[in-house]
Amino acid sequence: GAVVSQHPSWVICKSGTSVKIECRSLDFQATTMFWYRQFPKQSLMLMATSNEGSKATYEQGVEKDKFLINHASLTLSTLTVTSAHPEDSSFYICSGAQGPGNTIYFGEGSWLTVV
Amino acid sequence: RKEVEQDPGPFNVPEGATVAFNCTYSNSASQSFFWYRQDCRKEPKLLMSVYSSGNEDGRFTAQLNRASQYISLLIRDSKLSDSATYLCVVNIDVRVTGGGNKLTFGTGTQLKVEL
Repeated sequence: GAVVSQHPSWVICKSGTSVKIECRSLDFQATTMFWYRQFPKQSLMLMATSNEGSKATYEQGVEKDKFLINHASLTLSTLTVTSAHPEDSSFYICSGAQGPGNTIYFGEGSWLTVV
Repeated sequence: RKEVEQDPGPFNVPEGATVAFNCTYSNSASQSFFWYRQDCRKEPKLLMSVYSSGNEDGRFTAQLNRASQYISLLIRDSKLSDSATYLCVVNIDVRVTGGGNKLTFGTGTQLKVEL
């Protein structure tokens, strides 16, 4: 099946710094990419939806100025956690789809620990 | 009320047992339904789609009852390797979301298969 590559898999950063997570679709063009966050023992929560070449649509309660999403090409989307705090420590996972109604493929996820 | 509700478990069963998971969803505009499997600290992986007519894939059987807004997953002859968290996932009608595939995840049901 299609592959979505996400990295880094693990990152530890200091409080106040910024961290960038990349998500690449390797063998398909992802017109839409989704970013999720999952806290321990909780479900995946959609943070934002991005369409290539346009601004991301953020879910209610997600700060767009803190979680910067860029989807500049059909194969790459990035999530930057700015001014990270310990409460931002979580599992961040991206997914991509070629278009509405198409199968969604998940990246391997990124574990962020802010110390 | 959560959009997708599941019994969190854990379900501890002996190898070879049959186990059933249930899920209810609240949004009647939900159009597509899936079961995903998530191993500890990994990304979710699609197990199977769920159709009104019911569908089977080897030891796994999924059922959908639209009238009751209820989804089920049955695992027969469970294996140690089936130990994971099973996520019930629904996709709202893409016309409602404006063209995006908006997956809503349940919190998952944890299964532990033991010798």
